[in-house]
Amino acid sequence: GNSVTQMEGPVTLSEEAFLTINCTYTATGYPSLFWYVQYPGEGLQLLLKATKADDKGSNKGFEATYRKETTSFHLEKGSVQVSDSAVYFCALSAPIYNFNKFYFGSGTKLNVKP
Amino acid sequence: GAGVSQSPSNKVTEKGKDVELRCDPISGHTALYWYRQSLGQGLEFLIYFQGNSAPDKSGLPSDRFSAERTGGSVSTLTIQRTQQEDSAVYLCASSHRRLAGESEQYFGPGTRLTVT
Repeated sequence: GNSVTQMEGPVTLSEEAFLTINCTYTATGYPSLFWYVQYPGEGLQLLLKATKADDKGSNKGFEATYRKETTSFHLEKGSVQVSDSAVYFCALSAPIYNFNKFYFGSGTKLNVKP
Repeated sequence: GAGVSQSPSNKVTEKGKDVELRCDPISGHTALYWYRQSLGQGLEFLIYFQGNSAPDKSGLPSDRFSAERTGGSVSTLTIQRTQQEDSAVYLCASSHRRLAGESEQYFGPGTRLTVT
């Protein structure tokens, strides 16, 4: 079946620290992979995506590379800011026949301290 | 263009009452999802509609929960005989069927349900 596993939080970092949030998946077929972010008091929004193996998604200084060999899509940022404090969700979209169904991880809360 | 809208934004109801939550997806999006997010928790999948196919109801927690999608657009999630553990934010999302698997989901702002 299809599923997403991401590291449990909360993750607490100081400003300008390096961030990694691990995400691994199991999937049949060839899924697309996504990171969504939920800032405090706001709705979920797409942060970045990758649609095939070895693709790198990037946005707002965040990056994630689609690694088929390790079934991973780890989120990284070289220097976090207080404004990056949010909950991050890893997700996959698996084609089932001609449709796409989404599977979300449980979310990882990031706290960045000044 | 307009995003996914949900109504009401907040709903307070007494235990045992029925509630209806509404979702208006982005025009042209064929896929519609309902999720539940309890305080401090992740997303719990509830139900998935895709075009005219039978919905995937595998995530509905009990038979008190039901959903329909009329005309392939607006969806209503109904919770009967609400219980306190139903208190959560109910999120709706839609996506467009382009190349299979590539489309991102667009989320609505959610309905915060409080059962007293």
